[in-house]
Amino acid sequence: NAGVMQNPRHLVRRRGQEARLRCSPMKGHSHVYWYRQLPEEGLKFMVYLQKENIIDESGMPKERFSAEFPKEGPSILRIQQVVRGDSAAYFCASSPGLDEKLFFGSGTQLSVL
Amino acid sequence: AQTVTQSQPEMSVQEAETVTLSCTYDTSESDYYLFWYKQPPSRQMILVIRQEAYKQQNATENRFSVNFQKAAKSFSLKISDSQLGDAAMYFCAYRRGDSSYKLIFGSGTRLLVRP
Repeated sequence: NAGVMQNPRHLVRRRGQEARLRCSPMKGHSHVYWYRQLPEEGLKFMVYLQKENIIDESGMPKERFSAEFPKEGPSILRIQQVVRGDSAAYFCASSPGLDEKLFFGSGTQLSVL
Repeated sequence: AQTVTQSQPEMSVQEAETVTLSCTYDTSESDYYLFWYKQPPSRQMILVIRQEAYKQQNATENRFSVNFQKAAKSFSLKISDSQLGDAAMYFCAYRRGDSSYKLIFGSGTRLLVRP
C-alpha cells in the first residue's frame, strides 16, 4: 500500500505563473488535507476536502489559492499568479475517515523566482 | 487561540545518550491531543508519539517517551539511547478534540546526533 504521493517534489515558477500541486491519497482514504510550511516554521493547515467537496478552507488565503478533490484523480492545490511569498513546502495528508490518524506525504517544495 | 511553542531551535546529543525536547502550549480547551512529529531530510512527516489530554499516564513508544504536565501545559519529548537516525527536525503539535485534522504545529527543534 503506497503512502501519500505528492508530485512534483520540486516546482520552480516565475512570478505571475501558475503552480499546480498534486496529491494522491493512500488507497482507501477519502479525506485529504493540505498544509503549508514556510521556511523555519511549522506546518499550517490550509484546507480539508472530501471527494468533490471542500469541507473546511479556513486556512486558505482568500485570493489566488484554490483546491479540488475530484471524483476521479488526485487532489490539486492551485496557486495562480504566484509571488515570492508563496515559496514554501506544501504538504498533503490523508485519512480513511474523520477523526483518524493523518498520513503525510513528502511535500512539494515550491520556489518562486 | 491555541498556540504551540518550541523554544529550542536546535539541540545536540551524543549517540547513545538521552535528550529532552521542550514544548509548551496554550489552550482553554479540556479535550485535546498532543503529538510529536519527526521530519527527516526526506521531508516526510512521521508521527512519533501521541498523547490524549484526558490520560494522566505519559505515552511511550520504544525509546521515545513524553512528560505531559497538563497544569503547566508542557509536553516534552525524551529520546533515550539516541541513534544517528534520530537526527531530524522535531515538531510538537496540538489539536482540539473536536477537530481531528487541524493540527497546530510549533516551529520545530533541529536535533543533531554526534557519533
